[in-house]
Amino acid sequence: NAGVTQTPKFQVLKTGQSMTLQCAQDMNHNSMYWYRQDPGMGLRLIYYSASEGTTDKGEVPNGYNVSRLNKREFSLRLESAAPSQTSVYFCASSARTGGIYEQYFGPGTRLTVT
Amino acid sequence: QQQVKQSPQSLIVQKGGISIINCAYENTAFDYFPWYQQFPGKGPALLIAIRPDVSEKKEGRFTISFNKSAKQFSLHIMDSQPGDSATYFCAVTINTGTASKLTFGTGTRLQVTL
Repeated sequence: NAGVTQTPKFQVLKTGQSMTLQCAQDMNHNSMYWYRQDPGMGLRLIYYSASEGTTDKGEVPNGYNVSRLNKREFSLRLESAAPSQTSVYFCASSARTGGIYEQYFGPGTRLTVT
Repeated sequence: QQQVKQSPQSLIVQKGGISIINCAYENTAFDYFPWYQQFPGKGPALLIAIRPDVSEKKEGRFTISFNKSAKQFSLHIMDSQPGDSATYFCAVTINTGTASKLTFGTGTRLQVTL
């Protein structure tokens, strides 16, 4: 099992450009998540999808859109990138184990917006 | 809306010593309290978690102590090893029934020296 995979690993964008970050999981998990990680701020939830066909906003959704393409894939789109979106983006999926939803994270995408 | 305050920001411990990281949270409507470990260039991984009806949970060298009345919980790493050098995040969790929403602390960078 590859677990959670993310592409690309690194990306540099100019202000105003758009791009889509891809995420896939092969663990048959229903729930998937997108986070951003900034120095000194921990990880913050952008959007999540509890199941195929549903998406919900997290703490910092502005400037982002998501698509839950199928059970395996959950993409994050930046329509018009801004320097404030320079960050490391993590995708995660979760499974319920003994009352706890353990989240499994991908390796991250490091995005720089100039 | 910082719901979780984590301290210290960084910590240096000698090999064999005890590492202690503290977190405080601001309301009571959380389902469980996990700690995640993150190595450089990797995504976070669940280390240990505790439910609010338990005061302590131990897994190997890692222990969570939970004080519900004080709204605080802490991670203790006994016999700290150089391989424990990583960034540690506490989190609070709300289960929605089909997913879990995590709010992370700002992280503690632990360095274990020889």
